[in-house]
Amino acid sequence: KAGVTQTPRYLIKTRGQQVTLSCSPISGHRSVSWYQQTPGQGLQFLFEYFSETQRNKGNFPGRFSGRQFSNSRSEMNVSTLELGDSALYLCASSLVGDPTDTQYFGPGTRLTVL
Amino acid sequence: LAKTTQPISMDSYEGQEVNITCSHNNIATNDYITWYQQFPSQGPRFIIQGYKTKVTNEVASLFIPADRKSSTLSLPRVSLSDTAVYYCLVVRSDSWGKLQFGAGTQVVVTP
Repeated sequence: KAGVTQTPRYLIKTRGQQVTLSCSPISGHRSVSWYQQTPGQGLQFLFEYFSETQRNKGNFPGRFSGRQFSNSRSEMNVSTLELGDSALYLCASSLVGDPTDTQYFGPGTRLTVL
Repeated sequence: LAKTTQPISMDSYEGQEVNITCSHNNIATNDYITWYQQFPSQGPRFIIQGYKTKVTNEVASLFIPADRKSSTLSLPRVSLSDTAVYYCLVVRSDSWGKLQFGAGTQVVVTP
């Protein structure tokens, strides 16, 4: 079974731009979660989608948004990029997002904001 | 949410057993304890999950005492490839799709 895939793997943007990252979950998985990882703040939860609905949300500003499509693929968008948004963005999929479900992480998208 | 405390780093030699203890004093009745492993520039990988007593799989064991205020991840006979950051997480029963990571423990295995 193919794992979680994320595109692009690397991205360089400038302040003020916006960016869209994509995540394809493992086949059959309906829950997709997004995380941001930085050296200073560590791994932080952004949001989770299930059946095209945002079901859980972390403590990030409204510039961070996401969506999920009917095939469970998900995208996250960051608008008006700031230098502090430079990070590794990880998505994870699980069967239904139950707390006892294993989350399978993708390789991440490395975003650099200049 | 139960806060977790674990050592910042641990060193070990190849072939030894590594035990990482995590403290989670405020764990709630319906919370689960989960451990993930992360290599540099990769996403975390699930290792093991438990609720109480002992859980064992092909890569690790998880020991949880009766009061559940701590847990110990045991990695038997580590190799160089076990060098990674290990995260202890307390997962709430109502935290759909959300994992709350702490700082983790950097384990370094040397020959």
